[in-house]
Amino acid sequence: GEEVAQTPKHLVRGEGQKAKLYCAPIKGHSYVFWYQQVLKNEFKFLISFQNENVFDETGMPKERFSAKCLPNSPCSLEIQATKLEDSAVYFCASSQSVPGDQPQHFGDGTRLSIL
Amino acid sequence: EDQVTQSPEALRLQEGESSSLNCSYTVSGLRGLFWYRQDPGKGPEFLFTLYSAGEEKEKERLKATLTKKESFLHITAPKPEDSATYLCAVSSGNKLVFGAGTILRVKS
Repeated sequence: GEEVAQTPKHLVRGEGQKAKLYCAPIKGHSYVFWYQQVLKNEFKFLISFQNENVFDETGMPKERFSAKCLPNSPCSLEIQATKLEDSAVYFCASSQSVPGDQPQHFGDGTRLSIL
Repeated sequence: EDQVTQSPEALRLQEGESSSLNCSYTVSGLRGLFWYRQDPGKGPEFLFTLYSAGEEKEKERLKATLTKKESFLHITAPKPEDSATYLCAVSSGNKLVFGAGTILRVKS
């Protein structure tokens, strides 16, 4: 499609439960990025993919967080055993190439609320 | 560490009152500086990319400029529909580093 599509828009989980977020990048874009937005518009980079391969995972918490981009499926970000501090808006973005060459285009995010 | 600082944090303008938003950056080898607009409950919407000092880009009432240390987003004769958070970001390695944004409110 012409837009990055993220589902669901809002996800509520109890502390300790699993959360799974989905992202369909713009058709033809090879790179997918995940960011976490917390207080005061602070964006934290989590992970990026080049097609189905992890490109940069330096921002991913080593425990509980995982992500995949499989052929012919939406990309996913999964959080195991959620904690209160995981509450945030998670944005997915896609681009034709790595940052610096082409802009990243963002979806409208998934708001994750951990109770 | 690459950093982006935006000022002011918030700006209130009357309709038609022109102003500028500032984005100061520290990056080892600028590959691209990006301006985005974000409305409440939405994702950042791409506005401009600037690659080298002296470059300028325009779109309707918005004009972005770039020097070696900072970028400005000039808003000429703003309208209430220009109200949003404006975000500046730079390429840092394989990701974007964002500033905290400027919240713009334009009153009619």
